[in-house]
Order: sequence, then C-alpha cells, then structure tokens
Amino acid sequence: EVQLVESGGGLVKPGASLRLACEASGFTFGDYGMTWVRQSPGKGLEWVSSISSTGSFLYYADSMKGRFTISRDNAKNSLFLHLSSLRVEDTAVYYCARMGHVSGTLFDSWGQGTLVTVSS
Amino acid sequence: QSVLTQPPSASGTPGQRVVISCSGSSSNIGMNTVTWYQQLPGTAPKVLMYSTDQRPSGVPDRFSGSKSGTSASLAISGLQSEDEADYYCAAWDNRLSGPLFGGGTKLTVL
Repeated sequence: EVQLVESGGGLVKPGASLRLACEASGFTFGDYGMTWVRQSPGKGLEWVSSISSTGSFLYYADSMKGRFTISRDNAKNSLFLHLSSLRVEDTAVYYCARMGHVSGTLFDSWGQGTLVTVSS
Repeated sequence: QSVLTQPPSASGTPGQRVVISCSGSSSNIGMNTVTWYQQLPGTAPKVLMYSTDQRPSGVPDRFSGSKSGTSASLAISGLQSEDEADYYCAAWDNRLSGPLFGGGTKLTVL
C-alpha cells in the first residue's frame, strides 16, 4: 500500500524558515516524480513545486520561486520542501503527492498533509 | 484567482444527475487532458478522473468526464449522499509550464 507521511509543519513568525518532509513507503520511490500542493484554510488547492524521479528537474509555481526549495533523497525514500521568507499568506496545509506517469496533473497518491501557520 | 473556473457550488437530490464544469483556455484545457479530484471533508484529495475521461480502479462508473474545446465537465449520475464533497479540476498549462487547479466546487446532496 502506498503511504506518504508529511511532517515538519508548525507555527512560525513571518520571515522564518521551515523544512517539511514526506516519507514514502509501499512503492519504489525513485521511479516517481513527486509534488507538493498546498491548501489555505477554507480555500482551494494550489500547486507549489514538483521534482523529477532522479531529482534532476525542479519546477516551482511563480509565487514560490526563490523562497521554496524542493529536494529528495531516494536512498531514504524522502521528499523535502524548504520554505523560507515565510509570509502570512503561506499559511496552509501542505500535501505531498506522488506523480502518476500519465499526465502532469495526475497526483495519484496523497499524504494527510502538514499544517504550516505563519503568524506574528 | 484560479485560471480554471469552476462554479463554487452545485447541488442535487439523491438519484439525480449533476454536472460540474471547468472552464479554461487554449494553453491548458484546450491543449491538455484534465484531471478531477474529489476531496471529502477533512481528508486529502483523491483522483476521480484522469486523462479527461479515465476512471481509476475503484471509482464507480456513475462518474464520467468529458472535454470540449477549452472546457471540461464532470458528470455524476445516480447521486448519493457520500458524493457530498469538494471537486477540483486540474490541467497542465503550457504558458506557465505547470499544473493549474480550478477553484473547486462544493457539491451538496440535498
């Protein structure tokens, strides 16, 4: 069974940094691209960033470029998202998801999410 | 503001057929396939439809997807109470070089 478990969320002040992690199990992690999607409280889904299976290719939503950094460690079946210069509007549940092979918007397994709250 | 436009709400009674629309542009829906996600209250999203009209295993055939030009639709027939959820469309955008989500549609089963 595919499992994705996020961690690292919490309450931080504006301008702070945070590192989110996503531990994967139940599949060959290195065979899949991975992505982060966030959801602000009561709002819709927003794509944040994606990384190719080998980590060679990185993709970011325009509003996250320069502040967020995606990475992965295939030996440890782990995906990461480093958040810096956090803003109040970055408050959201951050989900990691596995990318299916069929299309760029097929995220076929999701974690339960980790809540990041940015507040002074 | 989402570039993919969905109605914020939809509703129907048990047994009815409901259609949720997703309007985009030539750089996203017009050129690429559409994925639909279902998000039950308090849970993570789940794939309901991919490649516009393909159902993952386990998704009932009451759900169907289609696309015409720059718009896509998700149809739910034989509406059931457990279908009450938020539904999101998604499509790759060639101009942004990334995936776009619609704003979501909250489906209420009356």
